[in-house]
Parts: sequence; C-alpha cells; structure tokens
Amino acid sequence: GQNIDQPTEMTATEGAIVQINCTYQTSGFNGLFWYQQHAGEAPTFLSYNVLDGLEEKGRFSSFLSRSKGYSYLLLKELQMKDSASYLCAVMDSNYQLIWGAGTKLIIKP
Amino acid sequence: IAGITQAPTSQILAAGRRMTLRCTQDMRHNAMYWYRQDLGLGLRLIHYSNTAGTTGKGEVPDGYSVSRANTDDFPLTLASAVPSQTSVYFCASSAGTGPTDTQYFGPGTRLTVL
Repeated sequence: GQNIDQPTEMTATEGAIVQINCTYQTSGFNGLFWYQQHAGEAPTFLSYNVLDGLEEKGRFSSFLSRSKGYSYLLLKELQMKDSASYLCAVMDSNYQLIWGAGTKLIIKP
Repeated sequence: IAGITQAPTSQILAAGRRMTLRCTQDMRHNAMYWYRQDLGLGLRLIHYSNTAGTTGKGEVPDGYSVSRANTDDFPLTLASAVPSQTSVYFCASSAGTGPTDTQYFGPGTRLTVL
C-alpha cells in the first residue's frame, strides 16, 4: 500500500528554526510536494522536489532523499503567521497525489 | 473572479438528500480534482478530470459522481447523502497532469450530513 508519514504536531518558538519530516512509501515517484494550510483555509503550494538535495526558497527549504524515501521542510526565522498545518504529498506513478495527514505547527512567542 | 470558487461555503444536509457541490475555475486549467479532508487523515481524492469531457475515479469515489461538460466547471454530486460523507470538500485544478503542474485549491465546502 501507499503511505505517507509525518508527525501529527510540533511546537516551536518564534524566531527559531524547525524541521518537519516526511517519510513515504508509494507506487512510483514523480516528485514530492509541500503545502501549507492555515486553519479553515485551503492548502497553498510551498515547494516541489523531484531530485535529491535541498531546494531553498526564502525562509523555507525542502530536502529530498529518494533512496531513503524521506523529505523534510525547514522553516527558518519562525514567525507567528507560520502557525499552520504542513502537508507532505507524493505524486505516484499514475500522476496522482498521495497525501500525508499533515503536521500542525504551533509557534509560541 | 480569479482562481477557484466553490459553493456553498457550508451546508447541513439530511441523510438521504441529494446535494451538488459546485466548483468553477477561471485559470483555463485542463485538470480538476475533488478531495475530501477528514481530521487525522490526509486529503483523499474522490474524482478527477484530466480534461473537459473526461472523468476518472480516485481513491474514495463511492457515493459520489462528477461531470466535466466544459473547462471551467466541475460539480460533485452526492446522490443520497450519508453521515460518513460529513467532511470538508476541496476542489483543485492544475494546468496539466504532469509532475510540475501545481495543484491550486478552492476555499472548500464544509458539509455536515445528519
């Protein structure tokens, strides 16, 4: 079966750095996506990785290791507005997205 | 409008009733999707359409139907609602179905079936 695992909840302090991990087992791999979802709102796209390595985009970076079935999202200089759920999704061999349950990130002052 | 709109925003429905959730996009995207989101679970694909005139079944299609008569609209119909269909429903679209075609989401419809 297909499976995406990520922690249910994490807490971090404003100004700090946090790493949200995602491990996956899917039938085929056509890339890994990270989305941000604020409570009561729609998911919005953050990043896409298809090759191994780190992709940096401002305060957010995403890493992928295909051999390990592993990715992480790194958030630097945390701000209160970063409090949200972060969703990991893998595009499988049928070009459909398989989604993790999301990690709720709580930022404390 | 810009992006994806969904209607209604929320709805309370009696079990056994028929309900259509509406989704419209103005980005001329070829592909559209319907997901449901339940607490503790990831987004689950109900139905999708890769282009106008075609539809396909996702992971959880039972009890739902869709149509794609044109590029912009992708309604989702519950023929006879049941309490297990209580969920938040998101419509999404993407330019194509390739790996680099980002999916963009509508604001969602919160549906409660009693």
